[in-house]
Order: sequence, then structure tokens, then C-alpha cells
Amino acid sequence: GAGVSQSPSNKVTEKGKDVELRCDPISGHTALYWYRQSLGQGLEFLIYFQGNSAPDKSGLPSDRFSAERTGGSVSTLTIQRTQQEDSAVYLCASREQGINTEAFFGQGTRLTVV
Amino acid sequence: QKEVEQDPGPLSVPEGAIVSLNCTYSNSAFQYFMWYRQYSRKGPELLMYTYSSGNKEDGRFTAQVDKSSKYISLFIRDSQPSDSATYLCAMRSYMDTGRRALTFGSGTRLQVQP
Repeated sequence: GAGVSQSPSNKVTEKGKDVELRCDPISGHTALYWYRQSLGQGLEFLIYFQGNSAPDKSGLPSDRFSAERTGGSVSTLTIQRTQQEDSAVYLCASREQGINTEAFFGQGTRLTVV
Repeated sequence: QKEVEQDPGPLSVPEGAIVSLNCTYSNSAFQYFMWYRQYSRKGPELLMYTYSSGNKEDGRFTAQVDKSSKYISLFIRDSQPSDSATYLCAMRSYMDTGRRALTFGSGTRLQVQP
């Protein structure tokens, strides 16, 4: 595909359930980011993957959040025991290696916890 | 205090008006400055990218950076209804080329009335 692909585009889940969000980055992009965007808020950094290096998890809000990136490509963000405050749009972005390279965003997954 | 402050709007202007969007920031290490445009239910797309202080023009869009005042602006000339979107400023320091990479403002919602 030409761009960053995220699935599902919308997800409604019951409080307490686990959810998995998927990101397919642009082929060849070594860097992958997850951000969260709550209503009226800017993008909040969650986690960053760069090649085979250990991920930067410093933005994950709690231990209910985890992410992995298999084979340096597809990434999955997992939220366990979802809470209503987890409702937000989860955005994934990928970027080529380099200082002045642009990050391309997917369309996001809109998560609603009811 | 947030690292990046941005008026959320909404900002409503008539078609053809000149629009001024602004952000202030507190981290003097920021050197790369970006403006993203985000349409409803879409991911952010990069509009303008500038390094350090100065102006950059691209068609109807002009980005200005004043590092001494920690203030950045985006001007849109001859605004069109299709410019109606949320505009997010983003910035990063040289040392953040990999990790968090971008710190975002909360976004300004712009409405251009036909």
C-alpha cells in the first residue's frame, strides 16, 4: 500500500475488555510511532520503534498498554482491561531513517469504551 | 504548563481572508518546526517544515519561526472552504531525532465560510 494503514478504523468495546489495534507502516520505513489524540487535545506520544533497537515506551500511560512490532514491520498496540478514559483516536506514523525525514500518519483507530 | 501552547479556536473566517495561526513554546532546544493539517476523521498530513528561525513560503501558505520569542506562525492567504480543518503545530529538538520526535500543540480548528 502507498500509505500507513490502520485497522480497525472504529472500535467500540465494553469497559474491562482487551483490544488490539493494528498498524501497517509504509514499506521500508524503519521508525514507527503510536500517538493518542483525545477530544480537543494534541497528539500524545505513546511508544516509538526504531529498527531492531529496544522500543521507547516512555509515553505509555499505564501497564495496561503494550505494543510490539513483529519483523520490523507491522505493529500491534494492545490495551488490557479498557477504561472509559482510554476512549480516543489512536494514530500510527512511520518514517524513513534520517534526521530530516517526514513522519506519515495513518487515519487512526477511533476507540470508544462504553 | 504545556511545552507547546496553541489556541484551540474555533477560528471562523470568510472565504478569501488571510488566516494567522500561532503557537508558543517553552523548550529552547526545539529547532525543527512543522505544521500539520488534519481533516475530520483523518490522520494529520504535513503542510510545512522549517528549520530554525525564518520564513518559508509554499503557495498560499507561509510559515514563520521566531526562536527569540519562541513563537511560530502559519499564514494562509486567500483562504478557501477546503482549508477548513484542524491545524496542529509540532516541533522537536535536534537531539529528539529518534525518540519522541514530535511534540504537538493541541490544534486550532479553522472554519472558512463560503
